[in-house]
Amino acid sequence: LAKTTQPISMDSYEGQEVNITCSHNNIATNDYITWYQQFPSQGPRFIIQGYKTKVTNEVASLFIPADRKSSTLSLPRVSLSDTAVYYCLVLNTGFQKLVFGTGTRLLVSP
Amino acid sequence: ETGVTQTPRHLVMGMTNKKSLKCEQHLGHNAMYWYKQSAKKPLELMFVYSLEERVENNSVPSRFSPECPNSSHLFLHLHTLQPEDSALYLCASSQEVRGSDEQFFGPGTRLTVL
Repeated sequence: LAKTTQPISMDSYEGQEVNITCSHNNIATNDYITWYQQFPSQGPRFIIQGYKTKVTNEVASLFIPADRKSSTLSLPRVSLSDTAVYYCLVLNTGFQKLVFGTGTRLLVSP
Repeated sequence: ETGVTQTPRHLVMGMTNKKSLKCEQHLGHNAMYWYKQSAKKPLELMFVYSLEERVENNSVPSRFSPECPNSSHLFLHLHTLQPEDSALYLCASSQEVRGSDEQFFGPGTRLTVL
């Protein structure tokens, strides 16, 4: 299971773009990079997953450089409701336990 | 609404009580999970079921007993719990037991053990 490192916390203001970077130096060839979001007292919610280059959906973008040793979750124009904990996980298609770690606590202020 | 429901949403029990948590998924998934999240701690995986067969027991004390009668339902039976077992218990499901499969989480049961 590839170890990931991400900032413990980040602060932002409404309307700004937020980029959360995750390091995963020992990522394997068949690993995917996955991000989940968790609000207080709720279960995590899948945000986005990618293998290489760039992936975009209605919620976020995920940027993955060619060496895949890091990735950046980009949240465009955040709002107060984006205040949550964001988890970066490196997962493959085999049986694997999800280990969520401490994540990045994002606080969006007015 | 994720397609995964949990009941009850809140539960208060004494250390000598026996209670059960229920999870139901309406997504046609084959894998179901129980997680525990204590205050200010990361999520901890407790049990994993694939097609009603337990495939992972993450060193969970025997006072927690899971049951998966079919691929849509998952129970967590609780007995003689300790106050430190107070936590948010989350159920999740995914298409298969694959790390990269998106997991859909229920709203959780907030358990308080007195």
